[in-house]
Amino acid sequence: GNSVTQMEGPVTLSEEAFLTINCTYTATGYPSLFWYVQYPGEGLQLLLKATKADDKGSNKGFEATYRKETTSFHLEKGSVQVSDSAVYFCALRDNYGQNFVFGPGTRLSVLP
Amino acid sequence: GAVVSQHPSWVICKSGTSVKIECRSLDFQATTMFWYRQFPKQSLMLMATSNEGSKATYEQGVEKDKFLINHASLTLSTLTVTSAHPEDSSFYICSARDGGRAYEQYFGPGTRLTVT
Repeated sequence: GNSVTQMEGPVTLSEEAFLTINCTYTATGYPSLFWYVQYPGEGLQLLLKATKADDKGSNKGFEATYRKETTSFHLEKGSVQVSDSAVYFCALRDNYGQNFVFGPGTRLSVLP
Repeated sequence: GAVVSQHPSWVICKSGTSVKIECRSLDFQATTMFWYRQFPKQSLMLMATSNEGSKATYEQGVEKDKFLINHASLTLSTLTVTSAHPEDSSFYICSARDGGRAYEQYFGPGTRLTVT
């Protein structure tokens, strides 16, 4: 079945540091890939997405590129802020458009 | 963008009672709604999928008699946790798929249930 693997957290960075959160997936066909962010006590917010190979999703300084050859969708940000502290979930949705499969989440803490 | 709301945002109930959680799509018609459960510091696990006007499809291991799902209209789905127990305490999140834009799916803010 489909699955998503993320790097284990928590990740702790200083403000303005470079962020990478690795995400790899296993799926049949050509899934769509997503990054969601969850702030403390809140639901999920879509951060960015990519629907086909080599697409780059970007939002709020975050980027991720759909790499079919490595089945990866790593999240990056050049300079993190304290307000970026949250849990980040990588997810895929298969081509049949039904269910999401989420990774375990990576908790990010950014220190001032 | 499309908005999905949940009510209540948090609820505390006593063991043995039932609790109903509502999920509404505010500005689109949701032909399909999904219910997820999230334990502390864990990922989301799909509980069930509901299509408007038909019975919900439950994931393996989810008790359909305990977690009653009703998708009575294109903008409302409800999850009722019956005879709640402390182990049912969790964060419940719904999502709704926009029938007008295939495969676009939006998540609600979640409902935190605490059973004492």
